[in-house]
Amino acid sequence: DTEVTQTPKHLVMGMTNKKSLKCEQHMGHRAMYWYKQKAKKPPELMFVYSYEKLSINESVPSRFSPECPNSSLLNLHLHALQPEDSALYLCASSQLQNQPQHFGDGTRLSIL
Amino acid sequence: KNQVEQSPQSLIILEGKNCTLQCNYTVSPFSNLRWYKQDTGRGPVSLTIMTFSENTKSNGRYTATLDADTKQSSLHITASQLSDSASYICVVSVAGGSYIPTFGRGTSLIVHP
Repeated sequence: DTEVTQTPKHLVMGMTNKKSLKCEQHMGHRAMYWYKQKAKKPPELMFVYSYEKLSINESVPSRFSPECPNSSLLNLHLHALQPEDSALYLCASSQLQNQPQHFGDGTRLSIL
Repeated sequence: KNQVEQSPQSLIILEGKNCTLQCNYTVSPFSNLRWYKQDTGRGPVSLTIMTFSENTKSNGRYTATLDADTKQSSLHITASQLSDSASYICVVSVAGGSYIPTFGRGTSLIVHP
């Protein structure tokens, strides 16, 4: 079992819906990440949080809104998504930035 | 521009055989290189991580090598098993700065019985 837990595992939503993806880790890691992965492609970095503060935003559209309520939790709020946003969304954590990342199993998101 | 190139793109081998996957990078300044295994529908799992001073590192049947001079790494899988069928991703990190890892496109390995 992975030490980074993501919920839900699957999500289907319409373009007008608002939903949230959740990520949790209890390893005491201070860096957390969101990635987007399309089929047969490597993960693409979206956001990095370090000590609960947003440190990197890779020019992600504002329809994706990250939130880090505490050191163990990372959310990704979704609103007005497009069909091309359908992908596997991976959360990862590491002790500190630039250290080995532990990945969750992702949320498979489908936009209708 | 920081780049990570992996070869081959895909590989099919018979169970019990060995194989070697390649990773070439142009990332600079170099911090560390990691190999991940990603099963279909799962998140990547770290196999090895190597820093500048390390030439080789093993994790069971997986052995990674690093040549920092030529900026090349390889992942050798010994006595392959059906469960080795997965995508293997090479990730290289930059030293200092804001830190953004560079991912290779992965090698898709299929092990046949």
